[in-house]
Amino acid sequence: DGGITQSPKYLFRKEGQNVTLSCEQNLNHDAMYWYRQDPGQGLRLIYYSQIVNDFQKGDIAEGYSVSREKKESFPLTVTSAQKNPTAFYLCASSIRLVYYNEQFFGPGTRLTVL
Amino acid sequence: GDSVTQMEGPVTLSEEAFLTINCTYTATGYPSLFWYVQYPGEGLQLLLKATKADDKGSNKGFEATYRKETTSFHLEKGSVQVSDSAVYFCALSDPAFGNEKLTFGTGTRLTIIP
Repeated sequence: DGGITQSPKYLFRKEGQNVTLSCEQNLNHDAMYWYRQDPGQGLRLIYYSQIVNDFQKGDIAEGYSVSREKKESFPLTVTSAQKNPTAFYLCASSIRLVYYNEQFFGPGTRLTVL
Repeated sequence: GDSVTQMEGPVTLSEEAFLTINCTYTATGYPSLFWYVQYPGEGLQLLLKATKADDKGSNKGFEATYRKETTSFHLEKGSVQVSDSAVYFCALSDPAFGNEKLTFGTGTRLTIIP
């Protein structure tokens, strides 16, 4: 079955440690995205990538980094510079269509920094 | 910039009640519109979409009509069930920005009581 996988589902880290969240898709999609979701808030875009080896900052990129070495993979690193990293992180992907951008989402990773 | 405004939640209804969740938007170009649903602890799933004016998206008994004159895309369902309890997000994709990303509303939490 085609889809997006994120691992792990729950992640706990101590303050000051970097942590990397995994996102893999087998939908053959060109574009991939990372969002952050906080309680009672909508989704905020962290980074996105339209093609391999290229990515752009979203609305809240500070304290995060990404790489896109393979089409299928778009890992997100939450660095110690991120002031409030505890949140639910969602990865998404989409085909690059001319007329609209329908995104498919993974199940999410809940990160808790202790 | 583009924006999506959703009805403030939470919304609580009895089973079999009629549901409306309001969504209005502002966009630079001629956007495509989406409703996504998020069940507890999960990622987002596309519920329905519409890509041009007067299109009606429908799925699982939910409907929404793209109204360009009122810049709205309200979600409706004639008879809700307990299983419809979730958070609902309205979103748009704007070709004026190359459809590079989705703009989301803040979400509306819906609870259906038996």
